Amino acid sequence: ETGVTQSPTHLIKTRGQQVTLRCSSQSGHNTVSWYQQALGQGPQFIFQYYREEENGRGNFPPRFSGLQFPNYSSELNVNALELDDSALYLCASSGGGNANTGELFFGEGSRLTVL
Amino acid sequence: AQSVTQLGSHVSVSEGALVLLRCNYSSSVPPYLFWYVQYPNQGLQLLLKYTSAATLVKGINGFEAEFKKSETSFHLTKPSAHMSDAAEYFCAVTRNSGYSTLTFGKGTMLLVSP
Repeated sequence: ETGVTQSPTHLIKTRGQQVTLRCSSQSGHNTVSWYQQALGQGPQFIFQYYREEENGRGNFPPRFSGLQFPNYSSELNVNALELDDSALYLCASSGGGNANTGELFFGEGSRLTVL
Repeated sequence: AQSVTQLGSHVSVSEGALVLLRCNYSSSVPPYLFWYVQYPNQGLQLLLKYTSAATLVKGINGFEAEFKKSETSFHLTKPSAHMSDAAEYFCAVTRNSGYSTLTFGKGTMLLVSP
């Protein structure tokens, strides 16, 4: 069973640029959630995708957008990067028998630094 | 609305000592509660979860937590700390709803000294 994988693991961007982060969900999972973890903070929910549709969104501006593909992999796009977007971005998958328990399986994250 | 509060951003214990990490929750509906552990430069790993079954929940690596509704608490304990337990620990809550969105606390860093 393949776990959740994310790419890239680290990247550096400058203010105003755009970034795309990628996530492959765990085998058999149809739901992908994205979280932002700023330094010294707990993860904050960005949004969730279920069967290619956005299925919930946290308090993040529209420049944070996402996609889910038919194979349930997902992308997180952030436009017009700001310094405060520097964080660890975590992808988590869930689904199947775990869908109603909230159990999420996390990847190792993509660490974004905005200069 | 749901929230969790973790008391203490850092907890220091000696190897072999009791570990107690505190978490209090606020939820308008019966909650599902979780503890996750994060090792440096890694993602989050589930330690244990409460999903309205037994109030005392046993997890991996010798950790356990007790759900106390009267105290709105879900504290994490381990009888004897090991050096490898040094990590950051997050308490999280979700509603019993169709989509599984977690609300995390700010985390508690556990430091274990020899």
